[in-house]
Amino acid sequence: QKEVEQNSGPLSVPEGAIASLNCTYSDRVSQSFFWYRQYSGKSPELIMSIYSNGDKEDGRFTAQLNKASQYVSLLIRDSQPSDSATYLCAVSPATGTASKLTFGTGTRLQVTL
Amino acid sequence: AAGVIQSPRHLIKEKRETATLKCYPIPRHDTVYWYQQGPGQDPQFLISFYEKMQSDKGSIPDRFSAQQFSDYHSELNMSSLELGDSALYFCASSLVVDTQYFGPGTRLTVL
Repeated sequence: QKEVEQNSGPLSVPEGAIASLNCTYSDRVSQSFFWYRQYSGKSPELIMSIYSNGDKEDGRFTAQLNKASQYVSLLIRDSQPSDSATYLCAVSPATGTASKLTFGTGTRLQVTL
Repeated sequence: AAGVIQSPRHLIKEKRETATLKCYPIPRHDTVYWYQQGPGQDPQFLISFYEKMQSDKGSIPDRFSAQQFSDYHSELNMSSLELGDSALYFCASSLVVDTQYFGPGTRLTVL
């Protein structure tokens, strides 16, 4: 079992709809959680970071964290075709120095016209 | 804003050759991380450095070595290259424990 699990998709949503991406993690000591967007052949681009239980909103993006359930999610409102990419969930074990990121396999999102 | 710089962007090598990948972190960032991403896979952590000292080590082969220099740039040295080393290699940088920002990557092809 991978430490970070994501549904590989593809998740297909129509333009203007809400896309919901989910991630579960197994290591309870995980403290920092991130969502990265990656276009094919390009580098991961940070979308959101979240450290505390609850919701965190930034523009069209909302990250949700539930440490008790070991669950992180990303909502994308008013989805655009440019949002079509692979979304990587990443967790870090601690807030200590140079903590590595452990990634899920990513969910491929397709926003259709 | 300045980003992480990686060079070269593309590299083609033969089996058993040596390759050196370079990473220049965002100015004032003191921590560098290296990740390897194979085709269709998620990025896998290789190694990290904080203030020029190795901080953490992941699934990095013994054929690979890395270091961080006094100007905080880092180099990943890969020897006795194998076909399976063909991948995208990303460098990321951060300020101490802050968020990691990724460079554009080096695409290594081993023939």
